[in-house]
Parts: sequence; C-alpha cells; structure tokens
Amino acid sequence: QSALTQPASVSGSPGQSITISCTGTSSDVGGYNYVSWYQQHPGKAPKLMIYEVSNRPSGVSNRFSGSKSGNTASLTISGLQAEDEADYYCSSYTSSSTNVFGTGTKVTVL
Amino acid sequence: EVQLVESGGGLVQPGRSLRLSCAASGFTFDDYAMHWVRQAPGKGLEWVSGISWNSGSIGYADSVKGRFTISRDNAKNSLYLQMNSLRAEDTALYYCAKDPANYGDPPFSYFDYWGQGTLVTVSS
Repeated sequence: QSALTQPASVSGSPGQSITISCTGTSSDVGGYNYVSWYQQHPGKAPKLMIYEVSNRPSGVSNRFSGSKSGNTASLTISGLQAEDEADYYCSSYTSSSTNVFGTGTKVTVL
Repeated sequence: EVQLVESGGGLVQPGRSLRLSCAASGFTFDDYAMHWVRQAPGKGLEWVSGISWNSGSIGYADSVKGRFTISRDNAKNSLYLQMNSLRAEDTALYYCAKDPANYGDPPFSYFDYWGQGTLVTVSS
C-alpha cells in the first residue's frame, strides 16, 4: 500500500495553467478508472474536485480537469486564480480492495 | 443536505483504546460505502479503512490492520472505528467520508462527502 507519487509543490501565475501528476502502478491508478482528486484549504476538510479520472462534481469549476495515461493521472487547473492556492491529493481504488492517497501537492499562486 | 459528524476523539495513552463514531444524515445511509481517513498534524491524507454498504467488504490500511476495526449500524445511520493498541503515530485528525459506491463492484470508489473530523492524540 505505497502512497501514490505527486510533486511536493507546483506554482503558477494568475491566469496560467498548471498540471499535477499522480503516479501509481498497474494495481491502482493504471488498473482502475476510480482515480479522484481533492482540494484542501488550511484547516478545512478535503473537497472532491474530480472523480472517475475526469468527471467534475456539480459546482466544481470547469477550470479543473482530469486525465489518465497508463499508471499516471493528472489534474490540470487552467486560468489559475488566487483561491486555487491549496493542497491537492489524488486517490485511487486498488486491487487489494483498499484505497490509497497521493503524497499531496501544494499549489502556490504567485 | 449530506452531513457527517464525527465524535469520540480525545487524548489517550499509548496502548489504550478509543472508539470513534460518525453520525450520518441527509442520505440513505445503508445504500453506500463509508470510510475513515486520517491526517496527522502537518501531513497528508491517509486512507485508514472502508466498509461496503452491507458490511460485506471491509478493508484496512497495513498501518492499522489487526488493531483497528471498522463497523456500521445501518439502523442508527452510524459508522464506527474501534481503535486498539494505540500508538503515538496514530495521532491525527480522523475524517469520516461517504463513498458513492453501493451495490456493485468494486465495493469502494472515491469520497464524495467528508465530515469535519475528530482529533485523536496518543500521548503519555
């Protein structure tokens, strides 16, 4: 049950696009389309941003998009805004009938 | 409106036990899988345990297997986590989270609603 690998930090200027990667194995990210992404602001509970690789829940901005290629999933934030500054975590269902989170990425808006 | 309210956290000595509860409302509790997720101070999210809608599928992280037990009481719309043999490294904010997975396969998918968490501190 090793954590999925994410970059520790990603930054961008307002209006730019950034992409966060999430690398796992064929037993989790690569084997299932149950990859999801969560946004967490300091002191707050996580919020679902993307589910099943590329689907957005109602109310989540269309500036957030997800994709997957092989064992790596990605979250792209386009038109970066100040309120996007937060920690982001990916998660996947695994072949062991468990779930696993990524190591987390701190997004900074310059 | 979906609401998940955790309780039962507190300060406990190493080796002792604690039972967390999560009261659910705003949805048909017995239709969905549920999870516990924790976050140590200043650290990332860690999936702890999950239970399917009918308790037929249960999973644990390796870090808690054999010490923690997840359960649910669908009549009371409640989720529980019995934590035994607690260690300092179990110190964390424990979140209850709802999963939209219901009767199909796989038993778990992702976390669509979260509670605000209950803090567990293991220290002598």
